[in-house]
Amino acid sequence: GQQLNQSPQSMFIQEGEDVSMNCTSSSIFNTWLWYKQDPGEGPVLLIALYKAGELTSNGRLTAQFGITRKDSFLNISASIPSDVGIYFCAGQKSSYDKVIFGPGTSLSVIP
Amino acid sequence: DGGITQSPKYLFRKEGQNVTLSCEQNLNHDAMYWYRQDPGQGLRLIYYSQIVNDFQKGDIAEGYSVSREKKESFPLTVTSAQKNPTAFYLCASSKDGTGGTEAFFGQGTRLTVV
Repeated sequence: GQQLNQSPQSMFIQEGEDVSMNCTSSSIFNTWLWYKQDPGEGPVLLIALYKAGELTSNGRLTAQFGITRKDSFLNISASIPSDVGIYFCAGQKSSYDKVIFGPGTSLSVIP
Repeated sequence: DGGITQSPKYLFRKEGQNVTLSCEQNLNHDAMYWYRQDPGQGLRLIYYSQIVNDFQKGDIAEGYSVSREKKESFPLTVTSAQKNPTAFYLCASSKDGTGGTEAFFGQGTRLTVV
């Protein structure tokens, strides 16, 4: 079936550092979504992207919809301890297709 | 407040028993989903429903069953046929159709088989 790949799988960074992670697919998607999951909780939607090349920010978070429509990127600037969690990307080919999730990137922030 | 609610938060089941997990949403969303998450893993789709009285198998439907009799409700039954049911179960909903595709998640139910 369709798969999304996320990298890196996990990362440990110092508080204050910037973070970059990406999500790639062999298929073209019309929608890219980024979620964050805190331990023991459900994922929360961070950013939704609908157009190739689109760059969208949500506070310290910035996400981009890749030009090829096969990838997306998430950046976090000036990380803080509450950024700790698992970040999932998700893609959808059309509004009539099911959403597909990547395996996640686990982020740890060292104070 | 609109939202999606899962209950219970924690559930213990004896081996060989069926158990039903509840998921209710008041967001007027057409589509609802059930995912399974194992420790350190991503989300795997069990079942999804895009409209009342209709649902589709996901990637790991074996040992699970669902119903969608009402738009607001999408209960998941973990049957005794599921070989390894201990996991974190997440329900989600999305508007779908012409209204956008973002999925909103419940808080999850942690099922433990004892």
